[in-house]
Amino acid sequence: ELKVEQNPLFLSMQEGKNYTIYCNYSTTSDRLYWYRQDPGKSLESLFVLLSNGAVKQEGRLMASLDTKARLSTLHITAAVHDLSATYFCAVAATRTSGTYKYIFGTGTRLKVLA
Amino acid sequence: EAGVTQFPSHSVIEKGQTVTLRCDPISGHDNLYWYRRVMGKEIKFLLHFVKESKQDESGMPNNRFLAERTGGTYSTLKVQPAELEDSGVYFCASSQVIGGPYEQYFGPGTRLTVT
Repeated sequence: ELKVEQNPLFLSMQEGKNYTIYCNYSTTSDRLYWYRQDPGKSLESLFVLLSNGAVKQEGRLMASLDTKARLSTLHITAAVHDLSATYFCAVAATRTSGTYKYIFGTGTRLKVLA
Repeated sequence: EAGVTQFPSHSVIEKGQTVTLRCDPISGHDNLYWYRRVMGKEIKFLLHFVKESKQDESGMPNNRFLAERTGGTYSTLKVQPAELEDSGVYFCASSQVIGGPYEQYFGPGTRLTVT
């Protein structure tokens, strides 16, 4: 069974600091997604990573994918309060039918302190 | 373009009662998924529709849960009778079938509390 593990589960950091959230998964997949969720809101897609070595950046967030290590990272640079949210990674597993099943991590609750 | 909508946003019911959640996907999206997040835990897959057909229902907890998608448009998820452990946030997501990378678009969720 495909499992996705995120760490840390909780992260409290000062504004201006850098940090990395890790997402490990247990089986082969070439599609990895990062989402952000604000309290009471829907999940917002941040990044879609489709190949080994893929790196995408948007503002202070940068995501990367290493399919050989089955690891994705979400790096936060010079954090600001607005980045406070819960971040989820999700991996797409291919069914025999050719469709995809998405497995989510537990989420990382990030709090950026002023 | 309207996003995925869910109704109600919150529901508080007593154990043993019935609740029906509704999801309206983005128009034209054939894939529709139901997920549940129990507080502090991962988002768990429940069910996947392709149009009106159930592609995968391996995540449905038990036979108290019934999902339908008549006509391949909106979907309902009924819990009958509800138990305490059914509490959580139920998310719906939709995506296109053709093309990639099959990015999912999520609704705001329905927070279900069973007392």
